[in-house]
This record gives sequence, structure tokens and C-alpha cells, in this order.
Amino acid sequence: GAVVSQHPSRVICKSGTSVKIECRSLDFQATTMFWYRQFPKQSLMLMATSNEGSKATYEQGVEKDKFLINHASLTLSTLTVTSAHPEDSSFYICSTTIRDNRSPLHFGNGTRLTVT
Amino acid sequence: QKEVEQNSGPLSVPEGAIASLNCTYSDRGSQSFFWYRQYSGKSPELIMSIYSNGDKEDGRFTAQLNKASQYVSLLIRDSQPSDSATYLCAVNMLSSASKIIFGSGTRLSIRP
Repeated sequence: GAVVSQHPSRVICKSGTSVKIECRSLDFQATTMFWYRQFPKQSLMLMATSNEGSKATYEQGVEKDKFLINHASLTLSTLTVTSAHPEDSSFYICSTTIRDNRSPLHFGNGTRLTVT
Repeated sequence: QKEVEQNSGPLSVPEGAIASLNCTYSDRGSQSFFWYRQYSGKSPELIMSIYSNGDKEDGRFTAQLNKASQYVSLLIRDSQPSDSATYLCAVNMLSSASKIIFGSGTRLSIRP
């Protein structure tokens, strides 16, 4: 069954608005969640690592003030795309591991963001 | 050199044949290796994990790992049209603070 629940699955917003994406771990506590972005025909790029109760760790080139990550509980991490622009249109996917760093990632269903 | 490299394809294989997908990685200290399948517009789903040298079989799928050559592969036997997808190789890279790094994926097409 599903390990991670992500929503919304699809969102269309106007340029300049903000969009929040939620990612919930199901039936277990996820102290760490990973947020990926995927542009068409490209691979997944790690944006940031979300840690429960502390600040997220962002990858080089990812603006932390634009992509706000909150991991306030052991089962919920959120990514807010602030002041979205058309170039932010992409497929955003959250993921987590069930056990430890050696374990595989389990992905949410992803959020297709289109900024008009 | 990219951290995780795959041929982008497309790789076209007749139905019923064996599809062979290859991946190389740069960090010799890597310990965990994964194959994911991704259908168009969907998120990746885990097919196989492999941690030790040699072969690991699960149904029609066999993962092969050779740490000395820094090479991991995925074989799909009796290929079906439903196997048509992009296959992503992922490696837990010690050199990148144990982050899981993805290759660019190989697009596989199974022709009936």
C-alpha cells in the first residue's frame, strides 16, 4: 500500500501567487522527507531535505525563501512555492524512507504545478 | 563525470525478449542501489534494491551489482508492453552526505 500521501495532485495558479503542497507519511513517523522536482524529460533533482523540528537543508541553487519547507510534525511536511512564476511549473514529488539511510525512497504521487 | 549515468535511450525491445538496462556511478564507497520505474506523468515506483555484489532476482526482474566496476544493471525477462516506461537508477552516495542521487533514466519501449 501507499507509504506517502501527497496532495494536491495537480494545481494551476496565476503568476505571483503561492501554492502549498502537502506530504504525509502513512502509518509511520517520517523524521526526514525529501522534496524533488522533475522537469519534462529530465530526471529527479533533489531540492531540499526536510527534517522534523528543524530547518530544512536546501540543495545548491534552490532558493530557500522561494521554496518554503515546514516539517512541523512527524507525519507532515509541506512545500510552499511562493510568488510562483511560469518557470516554476514542474512536477514536485516528496519522498521518505521507512527505516534508515540505506533504505530506498518511497514517493508520493507527485504534484503537477502549472503557473500561468 | 556525472554521479549516476544511464543511457537515455530509447531502448526498443520486442515483446518476450530480455531488456537490459545499465547504470554506472562515480562514488566507489556507495552501498545502496535502487531501480525505479516511472510511467509518464507518474511518480517513480521502486522495483528493486540491491546492496551486495552479484545478482538479485525478483520475478521477471534481476538486478546485478559489480562494485569493483561501479556498475549496476537491471534485466527484465519476458518483456511485456506494460514494461514500457522510464527506468531510473538511484544510488545512495556517501560522498553526497548519503543522499540518493538519480540517473537521468533510460526510456524503454517494448514493441508487440
